[in-house]
Amino acid sequence: EDQVTQSPEALRLQEGESSSLNCSYTVSGLRGLFWYRQDPGKGPEFLFTLYSAGEEKEKERLKATLTKKESFLHITAPKPEDSATYLCAVRGYQKVTFGIGTKLQVIP
Amino acid sequence: DVKVTQSSRYLVKRTGEKVFLECVQDMDHENMFWYRQDPGLGLRLIYFSYDVKMKEKGDIPEGYSVSREKKERFSLILESASTNQTSMYLCASSPPGLGQPQHFGDGTRLSIL
Repeated sequence: EDQVTQSPEALRLQEGESSSLNCSYTVSGLRGLFWYRQDPGKGPEFLFTLYSAGEEKEKERLKATLTKKESFLHITAPKPEDSATYLCAVRGYQKVTFGIGTKLQVIP
Repeated sequence: DVKVTQSSRYLVKRTGEKVFLECVQDMDHENMFWYRQDPGLGLRLIYFSYDVKMKEKGDIPEGYSVSREKKERFSLILESASTNQTSMYLCASSPPGLGQPQHFGDGTRLSIL
């Protein structure tokens, strides 16, 4: 059975304090790993797709990386508007499996 | 940009009522999905559809049905609402291809009293 585990469950950062979120996964036949951002009361907003180990994607202060067992979402010099829950998901042979997410709070 | 629109942001219904949740996407995507999201459980797939009039059960289909009469529209039906169906319901769509990301609507917060 495909599994996705995200850590930490919650993270509190000072503005400008860089950090990383972790997504560990087990999947039969990875077809893609996805990162989403979700604001309270809204649907997940797509950020990145990673397809193979070694791949990296960047968008503003966010950078996603992928190995054979995990993905990291690096946040450089975060701002309060980066506060949200970040979801990781993997697509295997059968379906997409989502993690529960990391709730990020950036304090001014 | 992909736009997935869910008909209601908030909905309050009574136990035993038949409830319809509507979802429309404007990107001509073949695939559409219904999830529910609950604290500590994450997103769980209820039903999905790969084409008009096609439907497949997800992980938790009991108590739900779906309808897809047109490519852009995917409806979720709660046949006889129960309090344990109180949840956030999310609709998503994606183009064909296993590695394509799903794009989500803003959700419907459904309360069953």
